[in-house]
Amino acid sequence: EAQVTQNPRYLITVTGKKLTVTCSQNMNHEYMSWYRQDPGLGLRQIYYSMNVEVTDKGDVPEGYKVSRKEKRNFPLILESPSPNQTSLYFCASFTRDRAYEQYFGPGTRLTVT
Amino acid sequence: QQPVQSPQAVILREGEDAVINCSSSKALYSVHWYRQKHGEAPVFLMILLKGGEQKGHEKISASFNEKKQQSSLYLTASQLSYSGTYFCGTEKITGGGNKLTFGTGTQLKVEL
Repeated sequence: EAQVTQNPRYLITVTGKKLTVTCSQNMNHEYMSWYRQDPGLGLRQIYYSMNVEVTDKGDVPEGYKVSRKEKRNFPLILESPSPNQTSLYFCASFTRDRAYEQYFGPGTRLTVT
Repeated sequence: QQPVQSPQAVILREGEDAVINCSSSKALYSVHWYRQKHGEAPVFLMILLKGGEQKGHEKISASFNEKKQQSSLYLTASQLSYSGTYFCGTEKITGGGNKLTFGTGTQLKVEL
C-alpha cells in the first residue's frame, strides 16, 4: 500500500528539548516536503526536497532543520523547540513521473510547553 | 505570499453546484487542489500545469488561467461526502524542488 508514515503522531515536550519527527515514504518519490498547519493560516511549507541531499527552505523554515540522506526518509528536526512551534505537522511526497499526486502523511500534533 | 481563495465558506444543498476560486500575484508553474476533512490529512484532488495539462480525479474539474494566474475548482452535483475544507496550492519550481504555497482554505458544507 502506497503511504507516507510519520512518527510520533502526538508529542508533548518542553521548551528547548531537541526533537525529531520522522517521515518515510514507500513509493520511491523524489519530492518530499514538510508543512505545518495552524488555525486560520492554512498549510505552510517548512522545507522541501527534490532528491537526496537537495533541500530548500519553504515559507516558514525558522527554527527547523531537515536532512535527506536517503530517498525514502525526510526527518524534521527541532533543535530548540519553542511554544510558537506548537502545531500540526504534515509530511508529504510526490513524483512527476505519472500522476503528480502528492500524498500526505497522517500528521504529527506537537505541543511545546 | 499566499494565494487568495474565495469564497471563505459555502453551504450547499445536496445536488447543488459550487465554484471555488484561487488567485495568485506570482507567476506559477502549477496549481494544486486538495480537500481536507476534519481531523484528517489533506487529499489530492487535481493538479493543473502551465501549458494546459491536468491530472486528477475524474469527477473533479478545474481551470487554470495562466495570464491571470487564477484557478477555479468546479464541484457539480454535490454530495454529502464533498464536505470539508478545500485548499489551493500554487507551485513554483526552484533549484531545491517544488515550493508550494497554500491558500487559507474554503470551508464547504453539503446538507441534505
